[in-house]
Amino acid sequence: GEDVEQSLFLSVREGDSSVINCTYTDSSSTYLYWYKQEPGAGLQLLTYIFSNMDMKQDQRLTVLLNKKDKHLSLRIADTQTGDSAIYFCAVPKGGGSYIPTFGRGTSLIVHP
Amino acid sequence: GAGVSQSPSNKVTEKGKDVELRCDPISGHTALYWYRQSLGQGLEFLIYFQGNSAPDKSGLPSDRFSAERTGGSVSTLTIQRTQQEDSAVYLCASSSPTGQETQYFGPGTRLLVL
Repeated sequence: GEDVEQSLFLSVREGDSSVINCTYTDSSSTYLYWYKQEPGAGLQLLTYIFSNMDMKQDQRLTVLLNKKDKHLSLRIADTQTGDSAIYFCAVPKGGGSYIPTFGRGTSLIVHP
Repeated sequence: GAGVSQSPSNKVTEKGKDVELRCDPISGHTALYWYRQSLGQGLEFLIYFQGNSAPDKSGLPSDRFSAERTGGSVSTLTIQRTQQEDSAVYLCASSSPTGQETQYFGPGTRLLVL
């Protein structure tokens, strides 16, 4: 099955860029996702990238995909305290399934 | 409704009791998913519904866990004879027929088994 790995914590200063990294094992996925979970809330789809793309930019968010190394990253520019949350990388199980396998999540802490 | 709703938001129960968790997906969403999020863990897939049938229930951890969906809408996750290790946040998500790659999550039910 799919295995998705993320580092558990990231601490950044307000205004700096944050980069959250993710590695996965299955290369047959069509979409790869980033979800955000704020304290006490459910998951919110933040962005996703199609597997034939290398990069996707959406305002302060930049997603980079390196299919050769099976590495996905999320960069948040000008990080704000409101960005403090847990960020989950998710990759579909494969075999045509849309059901994602989630990483453990990276807790992003933004301090003044 | 505007989003996926789940009830109750919190549930405290005693070990050995049965619990029922409810999910109300976004209207028109044919796919429905249940996940479990334990402290410090990622999301663990439990079961997937397409309409009223469950083509993938591979994530249910034991036969104490079951789920059903009726009318292609509301789903109930039942845990029988709860154990302390069942304590977790149970999340439900739904997706539309034309956009199955995008899942919309509910706020979750926080279950505590004493």
